[in-house]
Amino acid sequence: GAVVSQHPSWVICKSGTSVKIECRSLDFQATTMFWYRQFPKQSLMLMATSNEGSKATYEQGVEKDKFLINHASLTLSTLTVTSAHPEDSSFYICSADGTSGAGEQYFGPGTRLTVT
Amino acid sequence: QKEVEQDPGPLSVPEGAIVSLNCTYSNSAFQYFMWYRQYSRKGPELLMYTYSSGNKEDGRFTAQVDKSSKYISLFIRDSQPSDSATYLCAMAIKAAGNKLTFGGGTRVLVKP
Repeated sequence: GAVVSQHPSWVICKSGTSVKIECRSLDFQATTMFWYRQFPKQSLMLMATSNEGSKATYEQGVEKDKFLINHASLTLSTLTVTSAHPEDSSFYICSADGTSGAGEQYFGPGTRLTVT
Repeated sequence: QKEVEQDPGPLSVPEGAIVSLNCTYSNSAFQYFMWYRQYSRKGPELLMYTYSSGNKEDGRFTAQVDKSSKYISLFIRDSQPSDSATYLCAMAIKAAGNKLTFGGGTRVLVKP
């Protein structure tokens, strides 16, 4: 149980284009989902928190117009990287709040974005 | 000083040995404590989670929390080469929206 999927797992796009990443909780409903990015050999950096049906809350320094987050249902959140640039190349990972009430989060497998 | 400190390792152990991992934290408001395992180029996998002081066991894993000392541990018994990965401790505060604060991760290498 408590499986989170991401699609795509790997994407290459050209500079200036937009890319959408999907995050789904497969066997549970997630009121809250989180988006992270991770650079090589570094820890995860929280980008934003999304709650179903409401606007995402972005961490300081994260451009909300560049990283559009939509949490349209209790099982789906999307991250759209708009007008991507090479510096946006990174590993993007989503997570979903568990249902036990003990604060646990279940992570997706991650999406590797390369912008050329 | 970071809120959550974790020795980066690498920690090298022979197969079958017990792996012992630790994190210390400075914020006494942390309520929830988690351990994750992350393989290279993969998302973190939740191993253990708890919110109370004491021990919690699940298979080969034991999580230990000492809130008075602000110290958590993870023990892995009968370690296998497949346990070679980076282990992350994480903590959260409910009133802060359950946002996770991570340790820097400990790289573990289990040698056959």
